[in-house]
Amino acid sequence: DTGVSQNPRHKITKRGQNVTFRCDPISEHNRLYWYRQTLGQGPEFLTYFQNEAQLEKSRLLSDRFSAERPKGSFSTLEIQRTEQGDSAMYLCASSFAGGGEKLFFGSGTQLSVL
Amino acid sequence: DQQVKQNSPSLSVQEGRISILNCDYTNSMFDYFLWYKKYPAEGPTFLISISSIKDKNEDGRFTVFLNKSAKHLSLHIVPSQPGDSAVYFCAARDGSGTYKYIFGTGTRLKVLA
Repeated sequence: DTGVSQNPRHKITKRGQNVTFRCDPISEHNRLYWYRQTLGQGPEFLTYFQNEAQLEKSRLLSDRFSAERPKGSFSTLEIQRTEQGDSAMYLCASSFAGGGEKLFFGSGTQLSVL
Repeated sequence: DQQVKQNSPSLSVQEGRISILNCDYTNSMFDYFLWYKKYPAEGPTFLISISSIKDKNEDGRFTVFLNKSAKHLSLHIVPSQPGDSAVYFCAARDGSGTYKYIFGTGTRLKVLA
């Protein structure tokens, strides 16, 4: 059983650069979620997919953020023209629709924008 | 608007005693409530959940109680162990069709040996 996998674990970038994160969900899971967490806060919803369809996107997600899930398997989250305020832990989670309510999280990608 | 609230940022408990973590919510469309445990630099780990149609669910040392009329849930850990020291998040799933999960801000539990 290979849980949710996220790469890279850490990313340091300069302001204005683009970054892309990858998430590989548990293989039979058809729902995939992206969250962002900053210090002292709980995970904040960004977006989620059912299979390859992006069903909801948070109003907090600016136009600089885009997520994809081609073929309903892995997902990528891209942040363009990064800002210092984007520094956070980006968490991916997956679940199986019709298989219960549990969300399974990956270890996250820690982004630092200098 | 904070739909899921954990009003206690931290809690300290002696080893062997009961830990009670609380959570309040505002949205009556939440259909499942979950508790997660998180260590630094790791993703949250699922602990226990409860359906909105139940008022109690138990799993080993962990019990979750749900009071729908008060829109309140609590997690009881008995007996508390030093390894339980972590940040605990309450989460709720929106059952209105979005299946979005909303998290509280967390409570840092410290179990003293």
